[in-house]
Order: sequence, then structure tokens, then C-alpha cells
Amino acid sequence: DGGITQSPKYLFRKEGQNVTLSCEQNLNHDAMYWYRQDPGQGLRLIYYSQIVNDFQKGDIAEGYSVSREKKESFPLTVTSAQKNPTAFYLCASSIGQGTYGYTFGSGTRLTVV
Amino acid sequence: EDQVTQSPEALRLQEGESSSLNCSYTVSGLRGLFWYRQDPGKGPEFLFTLYSAGEEKEKERLKATLTKKESFLHITAPKPEDSATYLCAVQVPGSEKLVFGKGMKLTVNP
Repeated sequence: DGGITQSPKYLFRKEGQNVTLSCEQNLNHDAMYWYRQDPGQGLRLIYYSQIVNDFQKGDIAEGYSVSREKKESFPLTVTSAQKNPTAFYLCASSIGQGTYGYTFGSGTRLTVV
Repeated sequence: EDQVTQSPEALRLQEGESSSLNCSYTVSGLRGLFWYRQDPGKGPEFLFTLYSAGEEKEKERLKATLTKKESFLHITAPKPEDSATYLCAVQVPGSEKLVFGKGMKLTVNP
């Protein structure tokens, strides 16, 4: 079955450490997105990519980085510059044309220890 | 700035007690409005897409409607398994990006 796989499900980060969250899709979707979800704040866009080797900053890109070397993969790195990284991270994809909405992964919960 | 506001933020119902959730938006030139359901610790699950005022869609006990400024998610005779957070999102004109509301947590007691 087609879908989006996020890994790991839970991730713990020490102070000053960079960590990378994985997102892989086999839906043949062109566009991919990273959102951050905090209690009471809804989903906020971090980065998005509409085509391989190209991506744009979202509303809260500071302290994060991404790459899009393959159509299927859109990893997110949470750098040490992100001062409050504890959150639930969601990856999504869409066809990239028209108004078909998103398909979401199951999320990664990142906690700073 | 594009805004999506959901109300109420939380709602408790008794099983069988029908109600409606509201999503108001200020996007000009709406391309699409989306409703998602999210269970705790999981990713949002797609429910409906609405494109134009007057449009309605149904799925089991849920019915979504759209006007020029807001959408309603009507829940008829809810069951405990309908308990979840319901998210509303609108598609920004000229982009594939979705702008989300903060969500509405629904609890249905048996």
C-alpha cells in the first residue's frame, strides 16, 4: 500500500545535538512538507518542497534544515540552533497540482533531554 | 494574513447528542477547504475537501458544509469512537500550501 513513513516514532535529543527525522513516501507525490505541532498552536509549516533539489522556508524555518535529493525522501534536521525543539513533527505529501490536500505520516515525537 | 479559526476549542458531548464544529477563514480566492481527523499521537487523517460555497459532503455520522466565510462539520448522533481532534485547513491561492486552524478536541462520553 502507498503511504508516508516517518521514523523514528520517538526521538530524544541532548542539548547541542543535531538530529535528523526521516520521511519517505511511495505515493509518487511531487510536493512534500514538514509541520510542527505544539499543544494549542495547531500545525505550523517548517519547510516545503515542490520538486526535487528545491525547497522553500515555511513560517518557522529557523533552526531547521532539509534536503530533497530524491522524490521519495524529505529528511528534516533539527539543529542545535533550534532552542525549543520538543514537539510533534509531521511530514506530509501532495500531488503538487490542483487541490487534493495532503497525505500525512504518523509523526515523530522529539523530546529534549 | 490568511487566517483559519476553529471554534469551539474543545467540546464534550454525550453519545447521541448532535452538534456542529465551526471553521471560519479569511483567505481570498479559496481553492479548497479541508477537514482532517487526528487521534492522539497519530498523523491527521483526511475526511473531506470542499471547493465552493453551498457544497456539502457526508461520511457516516459526519457532514461538512461550506459558505463563503466558514465551514461547519456537523456530527449526528456521535459515538465514543468519534472522539478525536478535528482540524480545518484552507489552501492558499497560488500555492499548494495549507493553512491550518488550531483544531477542535471532541470528546464523546458513553
